Amino acid sequence: QKEVEQDPGPLSVPEGAIVSLNCTYSNSAFQYFMWYRQYSRKGPELLMYTYSSGNKEDGRFTAQVDKSSKYISLFIRDSQPSDSATYLCATWLVWGGGNKLTFGTGTQLKVEL
Amino acid sequence: EAGVTQFPSHSVIEKGQTVTLRCDPISGHDNLYWYRRVMGKEIKFLLHFVKESKQDESGMPNNRFLAERTGGTYSTLKVQPAELEDSGVYFCASSQVPRYEQYFGPGTRLTVT
Repeated sequence: QKEVEQDPGPLSVPEGAIVSLNCTYSNSAFQYFMWYRQYSRKGPELLMYTYSSGNKEDGRFTAQVDKSSKYISLFIRDSQPSDSATYLCATWLVWGGGNKLTFGTGTQLKVEL
Repeated sequence: EAGVTQFPSHSVIEKGQTVTLRCDPISGHDNLYWYRRVMGKEIKFLLHFVKESKQDESGMPNNRFLAERTGGTYSTLKVQPAELEDSGVYFCASSQVPRYEQYFGPGTRLTVT
């Protein structure tokens, strides 16, 4: 079983739509949950992170973690064509897991005009 | 501030040949990570340097892979001899301290034919 599962998409939405991206994870010890965004031919770039359970909002983006169900979500409001990218969920352990990110496969998002 | 740079951007080699990938981290970043993405799979951790020391090399697939970090600055990842299954995108990332916010380079796309 993969430690982080993510639907690879692709996901195509019209401009202005609300986008919901989701991941599940298996290791209940994970404490930090991140969303990285990757544009074509570029490296991943940290978009948002959440520590433990709860919500975090940054402009049009909201990250949500439910540790009881091991579910990670990213919501994008008023999506724009510039949001078209691959979104990668990732987890990180503080203790005992080394200093490595564990990624999902990424969801390819296309926002169309 | 210059980001993480990787060279070459793309390498095509034949099975059995040797390839060396280079990563220059952000200046002052003691922590350097190598990751790999094989087609259709998630980005996977290979190893982590703190300055010139290997902190964690648990993700290195086998002894055909050799990573070095000279003087705690740039790093090289050598694959010798290359096999078909080594094809993928190799990412380097760096951070000042070990944490979830890692700055990724654009990656080196390795194709083994």
